[in-house]
Amino acid sequence: QKEVEQDPGPLSVPEGAIVSLNCTYSNSAFQYFMWYRQYSRKGPELLMYTYSSGNKEDGRFTAQVDKSSKYISLFIRDSQPSDSATYLCAMSPYTSGTYKYIFGTGTRLKVLA
Amino acid sequence: DGGITQSPKYLFRKEGQNVTLSCEQNLNHDAMYWYRQDPGQGLRLIYYSQIVNDFQKGDIAEGYSVSREKKESFPLTVTSAQKNPTAFYLCASSTRGRGGTDTQYFGPGTRLTVL
Repeated sequence: QKEVEQDPGPLSVPEGAIVSLNCTYSNSAFQYFMWYRQYSRKGPELLMYTYSSGNKEDGRFTAQVDKSSKYISLFIRDSQPSDSATYLCAMSPYTSGTYKYIFGTGTRLKVLA
Repeated sequence: DGGITQSPKYLFRKEGQNVTLSCEQNLNHDAMYWYRQDPGQGLRLIYYSQIVNDFQKGDIAEGYSVSREKKESFPLTVTSAQKNPTAFYLCASSTRGRGGTDTQYFGPGTRLTVL
């Protein structure tokens, strides 16, 4: 079993829809959670990061962490064709001197105009 | 503009040749990383460096080598010992932020193809 599981998609939605992207994980030590957006043939771009459980909102994006279920989500409201990309989740245990991230495989999102 | 640059964007190599991928950052970040990305797989860590003149192997270091002589630069050499080098290579950097955690920022990537 992989430490981080992410549905590869593709996920196709109409413009304006609410998108839900998810990752599950098995390591209860993870405390730092990130979402990256990656356009085709480009480097990943950091969208959001959260510590431990709870929600964090930034514009049309909301990141949610449920540590009891080992489940994280990224919601995109009013989705736009420009949101079409691959979304990667990443996580890390918060321990001194540890820099290692574990990445999901990414979910490919298509927003149809 | 602050950021991470990688060169070249595309690189072609014949089997048996060593090639070096460049990564430079002007963000004054302490830590730098090299990842490999293959279709259907998550990013896999090759090497990382927390300070100048020091680096550690990641999960898939075999067939790769790095150096960290300057804070700004972290070149990756793909040697002929790497059996399947065709991939998208990503460099990242980070600095320890508030609370002790670090956030990684990525460069644009280099696509290496072995002919």
